[in-house]
Amino acid sequence: KAGVTQTPRYLIKTRGQQVTLSCSPISGHRSVSWYQQTPGQGLQFLFEYFSETQRNKGNFPGRFSGRQFSNSRSEMNVSTLELGDSALYLCASSLEGQGGNGYTFGSGTRLTVV
Amino acid sequence: AQSVTQLGSHVSVSEGALVLLRCNYSSSVPPYLFWYVQYPNQGLQLLLKYTSAATLVKGINGFEAEFKKSETSFHLTKPSAHMSDAAEYFCAVGRQEGGSEKLVFGKGTKLTVNP
Repeated sequence: KAGVTQTPRYLIKTRGQQVTLSCSPISGHRSVSWYQQTPGQGLQFLFEYFSETQRNKGNFPGRFSGRQFSNSRSEMNVSTLELGDSALYLCASSLEGQGGNGYTFGSGTRLTVV
Repeated sequence: AQSVTQLGSHVSVSEGALVLLRCNYSSSVPPYLFWYVQYPNQGLQLLLKYTSAATLVKGINGFEAEFKKSETSFHLTKPSAHMSDAAEYFCAVGRQEGGSEKLVFGKGTKLTVNP
């Protein structure tokens, strides 16, 4: 079966702009989580969506938001981009968002803010 | 709160040598522990996961990890390193918050395999 698809793979944006990243989970998976990976902070949890509802949110400013559609595809949006938002953004797909079922990650979107 | 510590940000081994990557979790027993591998410019690939069914967990590519409650450890091992094992490895724990779970990752260990 198809894996987790993240688009685009690479993005270059200017400070102050906004960006939208997309994640299509494995068919049948209803949970999508987002993580930010930077050299300094490592992998940090952004938020998790399940059946179109945000169930959990990490410690990030309100500029970071997301949503999930009825087909379980998810998008995350970052507004008013800052240089520090440059990172690899990973999404993880899970059946119901519990570790027993495992999490499958996409290849990520590399965002560079200049 | 659940957390993990990976000892050694860089580990270097010779091809054919034992690989040992260390991971310790916080004192409360987590329901799930994971090891992921990340190759350059790639996402995370699951190597193995502990779900309390067995303390010795076998994963892909010849890796295995043993859950030791007395030592609060979940170290990753492979008997014989291969050049293709060079990558970054992350230990993670599943943390319950409200009605949801999130993964909490260690800082990662970069493995170098020398010919």
